[in-house]
Amino acid sequence: QGQLVQSGSELKKPGASVRVSCKASGYTFTKHAMNWVRQAPGQGPEWMGWINTYTGIPMYAPGFRGRFVFSLDTSVSTAYLQISSLEAEDTATYYCTRECTSGCALFGFDVWGQGTMVTVSS
Amino acid sequence: DIVMTQSPLSLPVTPGEPASISCRSSQSLLDTTGYNRLDWYLQKPGQPPQLLIYWASNRASGVPDRFSGSGSGTEFTLKISRVEAEDIGIYYCMQGLEGPRTFGQGTKVEIK
Repeated sequence: QGQLVQSGSELKKPGASVRVSCKASGYTFTKHAMNWVRQAPGQGPEWMGWINTYTGIPMYAPGFRGRFVFSLDTSVSTAYLQISSLEAEDTATYYCTRECTSGCALFGFDVWGQGTMVTVSS
Repeated sequence: DIVMTQSPLSLPVTPGEPASISCRSSQSLLDTTGYNRLDWYLQKPGQPPQLLIYWASNRASGVPDRFSGSGSGTEFTLKISRVEAEDIGIYYCMQGLEGPRTFGQGTKVEIK
C-alpha cells in the first residue's frame, strides 16, 4: 500500500536553512510523483509543487520558487525539501504526499507523510 | 490560478443524519478525457489530510461507502449519508486540472 515517513520537527533561526526528508516504503518509488504541501498554523493546506521521481525534474508553485528545492535519492527511496534563508513566515507543517503516475489503480494524493513541523524563531 | 470556494465553512452535524458540502471552481475542471479533476480530503485533528474522493466521484481505497462525491464542471458536492462521530474534521476540495493545485478554504464539520 505504501508509507511515507518524514523527519522530525525542526527549530531554526531566521536566515538558516532546513532539510526535510520523506522516506517511502512499500511501493515502487519511481511510479509515484512526490508532492510537497505546506500548512501554516491554523490555515489550510497549500501546494508547493512536485518532483517527478522517475526523471528527478521538479516543478514549483509560483510562491515557492527560489528558496525551496525538491530533490531525491532514489537509492534510498527518499525525497527531500530544502528551504534556505528561512523567514518567520515559513513556520508551518510540511507534508510530503505521493501521486501515482504509472500503472495507477487510483489517483489523488493517496498516501501522506505524518508531517514535519518547522518553526522559525529567533 | 483556479480558485476553489467551499460552503458552508462550518457545519454542525447530528450523528446518523446526512451532511453535504459544496465546492465551486472558478473554471471548469473537466479534462480532455472526460474526467473532473476534483478531489476531496478530510483532515482530522492532528493528522495529515486523507484522500476520500478522487476525480469527483471515485472513493479512495478503504473509504466507507457513506461518503460520495458528485458534480461536474464547476459545481461539486461531497455527501455523507449518515454522519458518524469519527467523521469530524476539516474537509477540503482540491483541483488538479491545471496550474498550481489549489484547495478550498475548508469546511469544519463538528458534532452538534
